[in-house]
Amino acid sequence: DAGVIQSPRHEVTEMGQEVTLRCKPISGHDYLFWYRQTMMRGLELLIYFNNNVPIDDSGMPEDRFSAKMPNASFSTLKIQPSEPRDSAVYFCASSLPGQRSEAFFGQGTRLTVV
Amino acid sequence: GENVEQHPSTLSVQEGDSAVIKCTYSDSASNYFPWYKQELGKRPQLIIDIRSNVGEKKDQRIAVTLNKTAKHFSLHITETQPEDSAVYFCAAPTPINTGFQKLVFGTGTRLLVSP
Repeated sequence: DAGVIQSPRHEVTEMGQEVTLRCKPISGHDYLFWYRQTMMRGLELLIYFNNNVPIDDSGMPEDRFSAKMPNASFSTLKIQPSEPRDSAVYFCASSLPGQRSEAFFGQGTRLTVV
Repeated sequence: GENVEQHPSTLSVQEGDSAVIKCTYSDSASNYFPWYKQELGKRPQLIIDIRSNVGEKKDQRIAVTLNKTAKHFSLHITETQPEDSAVYFCAAPTPINTGFQKLVFGTGTRLLVSP
């Protein structure tokens, strides 16, 4: 398996534009997580899914952020409209069921909003 | 919910020295404590974890200790090498009623090992 795949690796956009980040989890993993990483706040969990269903979105910062998982092999994180303070590295991770399962991270998407 | 505090935020050591990173957690129900390593520009990757039924676990030059009474756990790296330079994150789970535990990460420790 190629691991968790994210696209794009880098995204530069202008303030006010819509941004869509994509993730393909490891096949067979029932859980998918979206994290945001910044110097100031570290790794923050934004939302996670179990079997394509959003379980906890309490980390989503604002209504400008939304996430979907239409099937077991694909998820998106959308920001609309984007703002400069959204600039960060966004990681997607997936894991097997179980309370002590390792989270496998994708390579991340570095988002810059100018 | 779980609150995880990690110290120090930065740590500089000479090659061959030992490094210790400490984390505290707040939820006494937490029972799984992983450590992730993130090299510059790369993804976080699991390096070691410990379950709550043991007090220490070793894997070559790295070890993790757990004190459930005090609610803290530590990462120990012996005989440090330049390739150990990275950001290290501890994590603890927040148990939720679905039975799954979502991980709460510490703020990270930037370890620099000088030759």
